[in-house]
Amino acid sequence: AQSVSQHNHHVILSEAASLELGCNYSYGGTVNLFWYVQYPGQHLQLLLKYFSGDPLVKGIKGFEAEFIKSKFSFNLRKPSVQWSDTAEYFCAVNDQAGTALIFGKGTTLSVSS
Amino acid sequence: DTEVTQTPKHLVMGMTNKKSLKCEQHMGHRAMYWYKQKAKKPPELMFVYSYEKLSINESVPSRFSPECPNSSLLNLHLHALQPEDSALYLCASSLADRGGYTFGSGTRLTVV
Repeated sequence: AQSVSQHNHHVILSEAASLELGCNYSYGGTVNLFWYVQYPGQHLQLLLKYFSGDPLVKGIKGFEAEFIKSKFSFNLRKPSVQWSDTAEYFCAVNDQAGTALIFGKGTTLSVSS
Repeated sequence: DTEVTQTPKHLVMGMTNKKSLKCEQHMGHRAMYWYKQKAKKPPELMFVYSYEKLSINESVPSRFSPECPNSSLLNLHLHALQPEDSALYLCASSLADRGGYTFGSGTRLTVV
């Protein structure tokens, strides 16, 4: 069965600091990979996704993620965070044959101004 | 239309009540999902419908009963719920053979 691990439970940064959130998955086949953000009291929003092609994926709000197949990783990055990036971040995966998204436990990002 | 619409947005129900959650999409997606999300936790998959047929039931108690009347609608019928069932219930849809999921804004359910 697939699983997703997010290494950081809670990350605290100051504005303008750089961000990297780790995500590893366990599945031997081809996968689709996603990062979602959930602002306080709001619904899930897709930040970016990877299906195939260029392993460096650019998403909304200045976020990007790099798929490293050899490391089974899909880490999320942003060069300079803002206070408005304070939110819960979820990594998710599904395989091409199945259809259900499996989520990691999430990382809470707190950005102080 | 690129949205998944869920109604109601908020629901308070007693443990003896029967209620239904509704989800609608008009993107031609043939896979639809129900997820349950507790505060500060990831969404947990409950049910998957593919081409209007139930394909996955993640051992959900029978007090939750899904229904897919057509390719655009997905319902979740609730009966005799417990206070621990209070959560945000999310509906999502996707193309049936790969990702590109769209999530609704959810129904925040409180069982009293």
